[in-house]
Order: sequence, then C-alpha cells, then structure tokens
Amino acid sequence: EIVLTQSPGTLSLSPGERATLSCRASQSVSSSYLAWYQQKPGQAPRLLIYGASSRATGIPDRFSGSGSGTDFTLTISRLEPEDFAVYYCQQYGSSSWTFGQGTKVEIK
Amino acid sequence: QVQLQQSGPGLVKPSQTLSLTCAISGDSVSSNSAAWNWIRQSPSRGLEWLGRTYYRSKWYNDYAVSVKSRITINPDTSKNQFSLQLNSVTPEDTAVYYCASQQGVWFDPWGQGTLVTVSS
Repeated sequence: EIVLTQSPGTLSLSPGERATLSCRASQSVSSSYLAWYQQKPGQAPRLLIYGASSRATGIPDRFSGSGSGTDFTLTISRLEPEDFAVYYCQQYGSSSWTFGQGTKVEIK
Repeated sequence: QVQLQQSGPGLVKPSQTLSLTCAISGDSVSSNSAAWNWIRQSPSRGLEWLGRTYYRSKWYNDYAVSVKSRITINPDTSKNQFSLQLNSVTPEDTAVYYCASQQGVWFDPWGQGTLVTVSS
C-alpha cells in the first residue's frame, strides 16, 4: 500500500498570503492518479484537483497542483478567508485508494 | 449534477452489523462509467477507503484489505441506491462514514456523512 505523507501538519498564514502544501508518496504515483481535497468543519471533503494539476469544476484558479513521481504540491496563490480548512492528498494504485493525513491551513 | 443522500442509524452495538444506504440522484447506480464508494473518517485512522461497487456489463466489487472479511457493498437498481454492511463491528469502527461517486480515480461528489458510534 502506498503511504502519503503531508507536510506541514499545520500552516499558519494570513489572508492574501501564499500557501504551499506538500504530499510525498512512499513509492512513485502516476500523476493521473493524484488528487487534492478540501474539508471544512462538519462538511464532507470536496474535490479540488485531479490528475495532479487539473482543477475540478468550479474551483478558483488561485488553486493549483503540480508534481510527479513521489512529490506533489498544492499551491493557493492568495489565501481568501474561505480557504482556511484542512487539505488532503489522495492516490490510486493496485485497486486501492489512500489518503494523506491532512494539512490544516489556519489563520495566523 | 450528481447528489448523494445517506441514511442509516448512528448507533450500533459491538458485534452487530453496521448498515448504511446512499441514494443517488442525477446519475444511475448502473452507470457504465461511474463507481460507487464508501469511505470513513476517524481521528485515529484518518480518511480510509472501504470499498466500491460498479457496473461494467456485470457487477463488480472492490474492497479494502483491512475490512475485506467483514464488508459487503450492494447496488439496489430498483431504488437507484447502494448500501454498506460492515459485520462484527467494534469501537474501532466508530467513524464518520461517507458515500462518494467516482468517475476516473477521484471521488466527487461525496454524501453528507453519517457519524456511526459503536457502543453498547
């Protein structure tokens, strides 16, 4: 099973700042099989990015994804108040799906 | 667009069976391009994919190794929904359970979530 490790655990930033979130895989992941989700308290996760870099429907262009192999990044170019949440990466491999443990983006 | 509505009890006794249902609107459980999943979330285990059912000329299931001996996911074409049954539950199965649609290998959208507590 591929393990995804996200860093940092918590990111304390101010609105307007840039957020850079990391997701590292224990073995190589196809870029086509890497996704990012946003989760706010009391809500289900919401798909942000699929195929490592494609934005899901309705996702603002301040969200971008990049990376390949074992290292992937989610970038939020300028944090809006509604972006403070927990973010998860997710991968598919060998008929199984795994998620990272999450990065919390909190208001500084 | 696809919407998923979950239902089922929030409290299950240890050793009994957890049962949840996910009603689909905006798509068909028999779709040849979608798959229908159950995922759970707990503080100790994080987000954990449990399994899925999908139709590709016949019905298929995939299950996570961690629950494979205890899980059943079934489609109900007459009601356009799918269900989760998890047998022999213990307190470690306490979690928020989500159903989720899948096109490709990502999950979108998700149901609203159901907190299931395993306790006597």
